[in-house]
Amino acid sequence: GAVVSQHPSRVICKSGTSVKIECRSLDFQATTMFWYRQFPKQSLMLMATSNEGSKATYEQGVEKDKFLINHASLTLSTLTVTSAHPEDSSFYICSAQGAYEQYFGPGTRLTVT
Amino acid sequence: AQSVTQLDSQVPVFEEAPVELRCNYSSSVSVYLFWYVQYPNQGLQLLLKYLSGSTLVKSINGFEAEFNKSQTSFHLRKPSVHISDTAEYFCAVSYNNAGNMLTFGGGTRLMVKP
Repeated sequence: GAVVSQHPSRVICKSGTSVKIECRSLDFQATTMFWYRQFPKQSLMLMATSNEGSKATYEQGVEKDKFLINHASLTLSTLTVTSAHPEDSSFYICSAQGAYEQYFGPGTRLTVT
Repeated sequence: AQSVTQLDSQVPVFEEAPVELRCNYSSSVSVYLFWYVQYPNQGLQLLLKYLSGSTLVKSINGFEAEFNKSQTSFHLRKPSVHISDTAEYFCAVSYNNAGNMLTFGGGTRLMVKP
């Protein structure tokens, strides 16, 4: 199947700093990518839908100014957590939309101290 | 709106025993159904999906799920589990067959014991 990568896999940052997470589709082009957040022992919650060349669509309750999404090319979407706080600590997972299914990245564990 | 309920948050089972992970959904429109597996600290992998046709779908590693429209269920089963099946399993629905705009259930942790 298609491969989606995320970088970094783990990141620890200090409160108040910003962190950028990259999501790449390695062997196919993805017009649409999705960003999810997963709290420990819970399900995935869709944060936003990222469309190449246009603004992301955020789900209700997700602060677009805090979670900046850029989808500048058909193989790369980035999520920037701005002014991170400890409550932003979570597992962030991206996915890329293929022809018949979503392909998920391996996730990024963010810890804000 | 659509929702997905996985009734069991954890399912402990001994190796080589059968297992069933339950999934029920609600939707006002036709849906497409998916099961994903997540190993520790990894992303999700598609296990199997129902789009149309035969209501019984199978994966390459021995899992199967049956779409039951009247009971709005899509339970996942395996006749004999292995230690390596220990993982988190998520049921999801989508209103289109491309599998985008997924709504996930809460997940079921399958714990296979020797």
